[in-house]
Amino acid sequence: GAGVSQSPRYKVTKRGQDVALRCDPISGHVSLYWYRQALGQGPEFLTYFNYEAQQDKSGLPNDRFSAERPEGSISTLTIQRTEQRDSAMYRCASSLAEVYNSPLHFGNGTRLTVT
Amino acid sequence: AQSVTQLDSHVSVSEGTPVLLRCNYSSSYSPSLFWYVQHPNKGLQLLLKYTSAATLVKGINGFEAEFKKSETSFHLTKPSAHMSDAAEYFCVVSGLSSNTGKLIFGQGTTLQVKP
Repeated sequence: GAGVSQSPRYKVTKRGQDVALRCDPISGHVSLYWYRQALGQGPEFLTYFNYEAQQDKSGLPNDRFSAERPEGSISTLTIQRTEQRDSAMYRCASSLAEVYNSPLHFGNGTRLTVT
Repeated sequence: AQSVTQLDSHVSVSEGTPVLLRCNYSSSYSPSLFWYVQHPNKGLQLLLKYTSAATLVKGINGFEAEFKKSETSFHLTKPSAHMSDAAEYFCVVSGLSSNTGKLIFGQGTTLQVKP
């Protein structure tokens, strides 16, 4: 596709369940980023990849959160044993390269609601 | 550490009047600064970026921003608001000098445009 695609658009899950959020970046984009946006706040960095290598995961809030990008394209953000505080919009972005001045292209996000 | 502060959480203007969205930044090195716009149920779109070239940066849809180092500001302006400008706007600083994908977002300013 022409842009960054995220699925599902909406996810409602019960507390304690695991969820997997998918991001399909723009074809050929080397770098892939995950952000989380709480209601009324700006997005916060979670983690990013260059190709399949996870370069920085300093923004992941705790060890229930993990991400992978095994073939350097599609990425999955997994949240185990979800809690209500995990409810947020999860945004994925990709860029052509991890270089100065390479713009990010954001997807429309996955809105996660934990009940 | 890098941070941005958006001075207004909500701005309301009449159609055809000027827009001013204020942003102050803090950075330990020469920053890369951005403005992003988010329309409802849409992804984040880059409006403009400053990367140490000209201090007056022109973006899409008639927006521009001026980098003022002495004031540590990067305010967003537009001479004449249009109804389609109603959205949420984020001032953003790059978290790393070498990777402009690891972004730090302000809390956002909601722009309302009245007919």
